[in-house]
Amino acid sequence: GQNIDQPTEMTATEGAIVQINCTYQTSGFNGLFWYQQHAGEAPTFLSYNVLDGLEEKGRFSSFLSRSKGYSYLLLKELQMKDSASYLCAVVDSNYQLIWGAGTKLIIKP
Amino acid sequence: NAGVTQTPKFRVLKTGQSMTLLCAQDMNHEYMYWYRQDPGMGLRLIHYSVGEGTTAKGEVPDGYNVSRLKKQNFLLGLESAAPSQTSVYFCASRGVRDAGELFFGEGSRLTVL
Repeated sequence: GQNIDQPTEMTATEGAIVQINCTYQTSGFNGLFWYQQHAGEAPTFLSYNVLDGLEEKGRFSSFLSRSKGYSYLLLKELQMKDSASYLCAVVDSNYQLIWGAGTKLIIKP
Repeated sequence: NAGVTQTPKFRVLKTGQSMTLLCAQDMNHEYMYWYRQDPGMGLRLIHYSVGEGTTAKGEVPDGYNVSRLKKQNFLLGLESAAPSQTSVYFCASRGVRDAGELFFGEGSRLTVL
C-alpha cells in the first residue's frame, strides 16, 4: 500500500524555527508537494521537490531525500499567520497525488 | 481572476436526497479533480478528469458520479446521499504543462442528516 506519514500536530513559538517531517512509501515517485491550509480554507501551494536537496523560498524551505523516502518543510521566523495545517503529497508512478493527513501547526506568542 | 469556483459553499441534505456540486475553472486547465477531506485524514480523490468528455475513478468513487461536458466545468453528483458523505469537498485543477501544482476551489461543506 501507499503511505504518507506526518506528525498530527506541532507547537512552536513566534519568531522561532520549526521543521515538519514527511516520510513516504509509494509506488514510484514523481515529485513531492507541500501545501498550506488555513482552517476553513482551501490548500495553497508552497513547494515542489523532485530532486534531492534543499529548495529555499523566503522563510520557507523544503528538503527531499528520495533514497530515504523523506522530506521536511522548514519554517523560519515564525509568524502567527503561519498557524495552519501543512500537507505533504507525493506524485506516484501513475502521476496521481497521494496525500498525507496533514500537520496542524500551532504558533504561540 | 476567479481561478476555481465551487458552488454551493454549504448544503444540508436529508438521507436519500440528491444534489450536484459544480466546479468551474477559468484557467483553461486540462485536468480537474474532486476530493473529499475528513478530519484526521488526507485529501481523498473521488473522481478526476484529464480532459473534456473524459472521467475516471479515484480512491473513493462509490456513491458519486461526475461529468465533464465542458472543459471549464466538472460536476460532482450524489444520487442518494448518505450520512457517510458528510464532508468538505474540494475541486482542483491543473494544466498539462504545470509542475503538477493544483489550484483548489474554496470548498463545499456538505452535511447529510
